[in-house]
Amino acid sequence: DIQMTQSPSSLSASVGDRVTITCRASQRISGYLNWYQQKPGKAPKLLIYGASSLQRGVPSRFSGSGSGTDFTLTISSLQPEDFATYYCQHSYSLPQTFGGGTKVEIK
Amino acid sequence: EVQLVESGGGLVQPGGSLRLSCAASGFTFRSFSMNWVRQAPGKGLEWVANIKEDGSEKYYVDSVRGRFTISRDNAKNSLFLQMNSLRAEDTAVYYCARWGRSGWDPVRDGAFDIWGQGTLVTVSS
Repeated sequence: DIQMTQSPSSLSASVGDRVTITCRASQRISGYLNWYQQKPGKAPKLLIYGASSLQRGVPSRFSGSGSGTDFTLTISSLQPEDFATYYCQHSYSLPQTFGGGTKVEIK
Repeated sequence: EVQLVESGGGLVQPGGSLRLSCAASGFTFRSFSMNWVRQAPGKGLEWVANIKEDGSEKYYVDSVRGRFTISRDNAKNSLFLQMNSLRAEDTAVYYCARWGRSGWDPVRDGAFDIWGQGTLVTVSS
Protein backbone atom coordinates (compact mmCIF):
# COMPACT_ATOMS: atom_id res chain seq x y z
CA ASP A 1 0.00 0.00 0.00
CA ILE A 2 1.12 3.56 -0.66
CA GLN A 3 1.68 5.53 2.54
CA MET A 4 0.84 9.23 2.65
CA THR A 5 2.70 11.39 5.17
CA GLN A 6 1.51 14.89 5.95
CA SER A 7 3.46 17.58 7.72
CA PRO A 8 3.07 19.27 10.01
CA SER A 9 0.43 17.34 11.94
CA SER A 10 -0.77 20.64 13.37
CA LEU A 11 0.01 24.31 13.07
CA SER A 12 -1.08 27.59 14.60
CA ALA A 13 -1.62 30.57 12.36
CA SER A 14 -3.31 33.95 12.30
CA VAL A 15 -5.95 35.31 9.98
CA GLY A 16 -4.21 36.62 6.89
CA ASP A 17 -1.22 34.28 7.15
CA ARG A 18 0.02 32.20 4.26
CA VAL A 19 -0.17 28.53 5.20
CA THR A 20 1.55 25.60 3.51
CA ILE A 21 0.85 21.93 4.18
CA THR A 22 2.93 19.18 2.62
CA CYS A 23 2.08 15.61 1.69
CA ARG A 24 4.61 12.98 0.70
CA ALA A 25 3.80 9.66 -0.95
CA SER A 26 5.86 6.53 -0.27
CA GLN A 27 6.14 5.95 -4.04
CA ARG A 28 5.55 8.01 -7.14
CA ILE A 29 1.87 8.71 -7.79
CA SER A 30 2.15 11.14 -10.72
CA GLY A 31 -0.48 13.84 -10.09
CA TYR A 32 -3.16 11.59 -8.57
CA LEU A 33 -3.48 13.53 -5.35
CA ASN A 34 -6.52 15.18 -3.78
CA TRP A 35 -6.98 17.51 -0.82
CA TYR A 36 -9.92 17.69 1.57
CA GLN A 37 -10.99 20.01 4.39
CA GLN A 38 -12.87 18.70 7.39
CA LYS A 39 -14.45 20.72 10.18
CA PRO A 40 -15.41 19.15 13.52
CA GLY A 41 -18.50 16.96 13.29
CA LYS A 42 -18.77 17.44 9.54
CA ALA A 43 -18.01 15.39 6.47
CA PRO A 44 -14.85 16.12 4.50
CA LYS A 45 -15.11 18.58 1.63
CA LEU A 46 -13.11 18.28 -1.60
CA LEU A 47 -10.82 21.27 -2.20
CA ILE A 48 -8.28 20.22 -4.82
CA TYR A 49 -8.21 17.29 -7.25
CA GLY A 50 -5.52 16.09 -9.59
CA ALA A 51 -2.89 17.82 -7.42
CA SER A 52 -3.67 21.32 -8.65
CA SER A 53 -7.25 21.66 -9.95
CA LEU A 54 -9.57 23.73 -7.79
CA GLN A 55 -12.93 22.12 -7.09
CA ARG A 56 -15.86 24.26 -8.23
CA GLY A 57 -17.00 26.64 -5.53
CA VAL A 58 -13.76 26.53 -3.53
CA PRO A 59 -12.16 29.95 -2.94
CA SER A 60 -9.14 30.79 -5.05
CA ARG A 61 -6.97 31.33 -1.95
CA PHE A 62 -6.60 27.55 -1.93
CA SER A 63 -4.08 26.09 -4.34
CA GLY A 64 -2.26 22.82 -4.82
CA SER A 65 0.96 21.81 -6.49
CA GLY A 66 3.34 18.92 -6.88
CA SER A 67 3.87 15.70 -8.77
CA GLY A 68 5.59 12.40 -8.18
CA THR A 69 5.99 12.05 -4.44
CA ASP A 70 5.84 15.58 -3.02
CA PHE A 71 2.75 17.76 -2.91
CA THR A 72 1.71 21.03 -1.32
CA LEU A 73 -1.56 22.67 -0.30
CA THR A 74 -1.30 26.44 0.13
CA ILE A 75 -3.79 28.84 1.63
CA SER A 76 -2.66 32.26 0.47
CA SER A 77 -4.45 34.31 3.14
CA LEU A 78 -5.98 32.34 5.98
CA GLN A 79 -9.59 33.20 6.74
CA PRO A 80 -11.56 32.44 9.94
CA GLU A 81 -13.57 29.73 8.16
CA ASP A 82 -10.36 27.92 7.13
CA PHE A 83 -9.56 26.66 10.61
CA ALA A 84 -10.05 22.93 10.11
CA THR A 85 -8.20 19.68 9.49
CA TYR A 86 -6.82 19.02 6.02
CA TYR A 87 -6.21 15.61 4.46
CA CYS A 88 -4.41 14.52 1.33
CA GLN A 89 -5.46 11.34 -0.49
CA HIS A 90 -3.94 9.50 -3.44
CA SER A 91 -5.91 7.79 -6.19
CA TYR A 92 -3.00 6.10 -7.97
CA SER A 93 -3.98 2.58 -6.91
CA LEU A 94 -6.13 0.63 -4.48
CA PRO A 95 -6.31 0.98 -1.59
CA GLN A 96 -6.61 4.74 -1.90
CA THR A 97 -5.05 6.02 1.29
CA PHE A 98 -5.23 9.31 3.15
CA GLY A 99 -2.58 11.25 4.98
CA GLY A 100 -2.84 11.55 8.74
CA GLY A 101 -4.22 15.08 8.59
CA THR A 102 -3.02 18.56 9.43
CA LYS A 103 -5.00 20.53 11.98
CA VAL A 104 -4.91 24.28 11.39
CA GLU A 105 -5.60 26.17 14.60
CA ILE A 106 -5.97 29.80 15.54
CA LYS A 107 -2.86 31.46 16.96
CA GLU B 1 -29.51 19.52 -4.63
CA VAL B 2 -26.93 16.78 -4.86
CA GLN B 3 -27.16 14.79 -1.65
CA LEU B 4 -26.14 11.57 0.07
CA VAL B 5 -27.87 10.50 3.29
CA GLU B 6 -26.61 7.55 5.32
CA SER B 7 -28.60 5.52 7.80
CA GLY B 8 -28.38 2.26 9.70
CA GLY B 9 -25.63 2.96 12.20
CA GLY B 10 -25.87 2.06 15.85
CA LEU B 11 -24.49 0.02 18.72
CA VAL B 12 -23.69 -3.63 18.00
CA GLN B 13 -21.86 -6.31 19.95
CA PRO B 14 -18.57 -7.76 18.74
CA GLY B 15 -19.28 -10.49 16.20
CA GLY B 16 -22.59 -8.91 15.25
CA SER B 17 -23.87 -7.53 11.98
CA LEU B 18 -25.18 -4.23 10.71
CA ARG B 19 -26.37 -2.96 7.34
CA LEU B 20 -25.73 0.62 6.35
CA SER B 21 -27.69 2.42 3.65
CA CYS B 22 -26.98 5.55 1.64
CA ALA B 23 -29.75 7.31 -0.29
CA ALA B 24 -28.63 9.41 -3.22
CA SER B 25 -30.51 12.29 -4.81
CA GLY B 26 -29.92 15.18 -7.16
CA PHE B 27 -27.69 13.32 -9.63
CA THR B 28 -27.70 10.30 -11.94
CA PHE B 29 -26.69 7.68 -9.39
CA ARG B 30 -26.12 4.87 -11.90
CA SER B 31 -23.41 6.93 -13.64
CA PHE B 32 -21.09 7.10 -10.64
CA SER B 33 -18.77 4.72 -8.85
CA MET B 34 -19.54 4.84 -5.10
CA ASN B 35 -17.52 4.31 -1.94
CA TRP B 36 -17.63 3.89 1.80
CA VAL B 37 -15.03 5.79 3.83
CA ARG B 38 -14.77 5.56 7.61
CA GLN B 39 -13.28 7.60 10.41
CA ALA B 40 -12.59 6.15 13.84
CA PRO B 41 -13.20 8.55 16.76
CA GLY B 42 -10.49 11.19 16.80
CA LYS B 43 -8.63 9.53 13.92
CA GLY B 44 -8.09 10.06 10.22
CA LEU B 45 -9.95 8.88 7.16
CA GLU B 46 -9.84 5.33 5.80
CA TRP B 47 -11.26 4.17 2.48
CA VAL B 48 -13.28 0.97 3.03
CA ALA B 49 -14.93 -0.17 -0.19
CA ASN B 50 -15.75 0.78 -3.77
CA ILE B 51 -18.38 -0.41 -6.23
CA LYS B 52 -18.44 0.36 -9.92
CA GLU B 53 -21.33 2.09 -11.64
CA ASP B 54 -23.14 -1.10 -12.63
CA GLY B 55 -22.12 -3.09 -9.56
CA SER B 56 -19.96 -5.45 -11.62
CA GLU B 57 -16.75 -4.78 -9.71
CA LYS B 58 -16.19 -4.35 -5.99
CA TYR B 59 -13.03 -3.57 -4.04
CA TYR B 60 -12.24 -3.60 -0.33
CA VAL B 61 -9.51 -2.59 2.06
CA ASP B 62 -7.76 -5.68 3.43
CA SER B 63 -9.04 -5.21 6.97
CA VAL B 64 -12.70 -5.70 5.95
CA ARG B 65 -12.42 -8.07 2.99
CA GLY B 66 -14.48 -11.20 3.64
CA ARG B 67 -16.52 -9.49 6.38
CA PHE B 68 -18.07 -6.49 4.61
CA THR B 69 -20.05 -6.47 1.37
CA ILE B 70 -20.77 -3.37 -0.67
CA SER B 71 -23.78 -3.35 -2.98
CA ARG B 72 -26.08 -0.95 -4.77
CA ASP B 73 -29.58 -0.70 -6.20
CA ASN B 74 -29.51 1.72 -9.10
CA ALA B 75 -33.28 1.58 -9.50
CA LYS B 76 -33.63 2.93 -5.98
CA ASN B 77 -30.59 5.24 -6.01
CA SER B 78 -29.18 3.44 -3.00
CA LEU B 79 -25.82 2.19 -1.77
CA PHE B 80 -25.38 -0.40 0.98
CA LEU B 81 -22.69 -1.82 3.23
CA GLN B 82 -23.38 -5.15 4.90
CA MET B 83 -21.01 -5.52 7.84
CA ASN B 84 -20.60 -8.93 9.46
CA SER B 85 -18.27 -10.26 12.17
CA LEU B 86 -17.87 -6.76 13.52
CA ARG B 87 -14.88 -5.92 15.70
CA ALA B 88 -14.15 -3.12 18.14
CA GLU B 89 -11.75 -1.64 15.60
CA ASP B 90 -14.63 -1.18 13.14
CA THR B 91 -16.06 1.52 15.42
CA ALA B 92 -16.21 4.66 13.30
CA VAL B 93 -18.34 7.16 11.48
CA TYR B 94 -19.08 5.65 8.07
CA TYR B 95 -19.47 8.02 5.14
CA CYS B 96 -20.73 7.19 1.69
CA ALA B 97 -18.88 9.16 -0.94
CA ARG B 98 -19.32 9.64 -4.67
CA TRP B 99 -16.32 9.18 -6.95
CA GLY B 100 -16.36 12.16 -9.27
CA ARG B 101 -14.37 11.47 -12.41
CA SER B 102 -12.15 14.23 -13.73
CA GLY B 103 -10.28 12.62 -16.62
CA TRP B 104 -9.93 9.67 -18.94
CA ASP B 105 -8.82 7.15 -16.32
CA PRO B 106 -11.97 6.10 -14.42
CA VAL B 107 -10.00 4.81 -11.44
CA ARG B 108 -7.21 7.33 -11.03
CA ASP B 109 -8.67 10.55 -12.43
CA GLY B 110 -11.14 11.64 -9.82
CA ALA B 111 -11.89 12.35 -6.19
CA PHE B 112 -14.50 11.88 -3.50
CA ASP B 113 -16.51 14.91 -4.52
CA ILE B 114 -19.79 14.39 -2.65
CA TRP B 115 -20.04 13.02 0.90
CA GLY B 116 -22.92 12.09 3.14
CA GLN B 117 -23.18 13.35 6.70
CA GLY B 118 -22.02 10.03 8.10
CA THR B 119 -23.52 7.39 10.38
CA LEU B 120 -21.84 6.20 13.58
CA VAL B 121 -21.19 2.51 14.12
CA THR B 122 -20.14 1.50 17.62
CA VAL B 123 -18.96 -2.05 18.24
CA SER B 124 -18.92 -2.75 21.95
CA SER B 125 -20.20 -5.22 24.51
